[in-house]
Amino acid sequence: KAGVTQTPRYLIKTRGQQVTLSCSPISGHRSVSWYQQTPGQGLQFLFEYFSETQRNKGNFPGRFSGRQFSNSRSEMNVSTLELGDSALYLCASSYLADPYNEQFFGPGTRLTVL
Amino acid sequence: AQTVTQSQPEMSVQEAETVTLSCTYDTSESDYYLFWYKQPPSRQMILVIRQEAYKQQNATENRFSVNFQKAAKSFSLKISDSQLGDAAMYFCAFAITGTASKLTFGTGTRLQVTL
Repeated sequence: KAGVTQTPRYLIKTRGQQVTLSCSPISGHRSVSWYQQTPGQGLQFLFEYFSETQRNKGNFPGRFSGRQFSNSRSEMNVSTLELGDSALYLCASSYLADPYNEQFFGPGTRLTVL
Repeated sequence: AQTVTQSQPEMSVQEAETVTLSCTYDTSESDYYLFWYKQPPSRQMILVIRQEAYKQQNATENRFSVNFQKAAKSFSLKISDSQLGDAAMYFCAFAITGTASKLTFGTGTRLQVTL
């Protein structure tokens, strides 16, 4: 079974631009969560989608948004990029939106904002 | 709010020896899960072991075991017979039952394995 895939793997943008990251979950998984990983703030939860509905949202500004499609693939968008948005963005998928179900992480997208 | 604290930024262990990574957490919830995740240099996060708070028995997965002390809000990871492949960042994480899959992570412990 294929794992969680994230595209692109690396991205360089400049301040003020916007960016869209994509996550394809493991086949059959309906929950997709996004995390931001930085050296200063560590791993922080962004949001979770289940069956195309946002179930939970972390403490991030409105510039960070996401969505999930009917095939469970998810995208996250960051508008008006700031230098502090440089991070590794991880997505994770699970069968159901409950901690009992193991979350499988993707390799991440490394975003650099210049 | 929930917090997870890992007080050991770095640890080192010799191959074949045993090492214990510490984690404490703070919550007012009674129903939750605790996890240890491993993030090797390749950066793909992998679940090492999971503990349900309602279970008194400590979880074990091959060479990995936990010491879960609910009253003390402590959740340490013991790695026995350490191998070179165990070298990685280890994150302790917490999730409340019924609140979707949101994980709250600690700051991580970098484990070095030496020959």
